[in-house]
Amino acid sequence: EVQLVESGGGLVQPGGSLRLSCAASGFTFNPYWMSWVRQAPGKGLEWVANIKQDGSETYYVDSVKGRFTISKDIAKTSLYLEMNSLRAEDTAVYYCARVVRGGYSTYYFDYWGQGALVTVAS
Amino acid sequence: QTVVTQEPSFSVSPGGTVTLTCGLSSGSVSTNYYPSWYQQTPGQTPRTLIYSTNTRSSGVPDRFSGSILGNKAALTITGAQADDECDYYCVLYMGNGIPVFGGGTKLTVL
Repeated sequence: EVQLVESGGGLVQPGGSLRLSCAASGFTFNPYWMSWVRQAPGKGLEWVANIKQDGSETYYVDSVKGRFTISKDIAKTSLYLEMNSLRAEDTAVYYCARVVRGGYSTYYFDYWGQGALVTVAS
Repeated sequence: QTVVTQEPSFSVSPGGTVTLTCGLSSGSVSTNYYPSWYQQTPGQTPRTLIYSTNTRSSGVPDRFSGSILGNKAALTITGAQADDECDYYCVLYMGNGIPVFGGGTKLTVL
């Protein structure tokens, strides 16, 4: 059974840092792109970052470029999101999601974690 | 930046049929954007419904179908049920590693 379990959320002051982790199990981690998607309170889903299967390339939504870093540890089958210079508008539930590229013939999220709440407030 | 558009809200009667759409602020949606659709009950994790325009995810009933209608991607729900009342999101893949979510449609079944 595919499982994605996020951890590391919490309350942080504006300008602070936080690192989210996503422990993956039940599937071979290496061949998949992975993603972080967030949802601010009462708002819609917003894609945040992607990482290719081998970690060679990463992609970010404009609002987090230069502040967030996505990474993965294949040996630990874990995905990470390092978040720096946090702002109030980064407050959201952050979901880890597995991405299906199908040999670059498609793109979709097929499995989601339960989410980790990040609150940026003083 | 490209905006993916969805109806903010929609209403359907129990047993009825509803079509939600997913468009672009500029241009037409085609299969090349690999449209996908997700269902989310408030407070719950999103559930994948449709991918690659019209392929149902495992376990999704055939009441849900995806297509391209005109210049938009579409999600059609036939025989709407009370537990279909939730939020629906589309995603379009823009290429270069960038997907974009639509703003979501809140579906009411009444």
